[in-house]
Amino acid sequence: NAGVTQTPKFRVLKTGQSMTLLCAQDMNHEYMYWYRQDPGMGLRLIHYSVGEGTTAKGEVPDGYNVSRLKKQNFLLGLESAAPSQTSVYFCASSNYAVAKNIQYFGAGTRLSVL
Amino acid sequence: EDQVTQSPEALRLQEGESSSLNCSYTVSGLRGLFWYRQDPGKGPEFLFTLYSAGEEKEKERLKATLTKKESFLHITAPKPEDSATYLCAVQARGGSTLGRLYFGRGTQLTVWP
Repeated sequence: NAGVTQTPKFRVLKTGQSMTLLCAQDMNHEYMYWYRQDPGMGLRLIHYSVGEGTTAKGEVPDGYNVSRLKKQNFLLGLESAAPSQTSVYFCASSNYAVAKNIQYFGAGTRLSVL
Repeated sequence: EDQVTQSPEALRLQEGESSSLNCSYTVSGLRGLFWYRQDPGKGPEFLFTLYSAGEEKEKERLKATLTKKESFLHITAPKPEDSATYLCAVQARGGSTLGRLYFGRGTQLTVWP
């Protein structure tokens, strides 16, 4: 049982480039989340999804887009990367109704934008 | 606005020296409080969840407690392998972001032999 898997683990982009981060979970969870973690800032919610085909904005959504075409996958896109998006990105999933929203996290994607 | 504050930011303990980490919160109705452990270069790992004042949970050398305004993570006789960053998060009742967790900035614990 892999849990939450994020790809890629590391990436370096140039300003203006685009990329997609993939999150996959095998726990049949309804809820999925994308966070970013910056030094001294804690985890901040970017976007989240409460089910297949649904997405919503979190605390810091600007510059990011997401899609949830399949229940097990949650994609985070950067259309035109900026240095301010240099961060560590974490995906999480939860079964809100059953487990009272215990969120399980992936190992993270470390992104540098030059 | 909902807030979570953790203290201290960093804590150094000698092996066997017990101590506590604090998480104070201000939310409009607490649905749950969560403790996570994060090792360098890894994602947060779930430890405990507490739902009501007076509740306590234990796991090995860790014990989490909850009051109406704060939670403590007590570490008894810590070992070097307990070194990590400990994150606290709260979930508020209602609101527009179902299931959202508000995270504190964490306490970085170092236990030296």
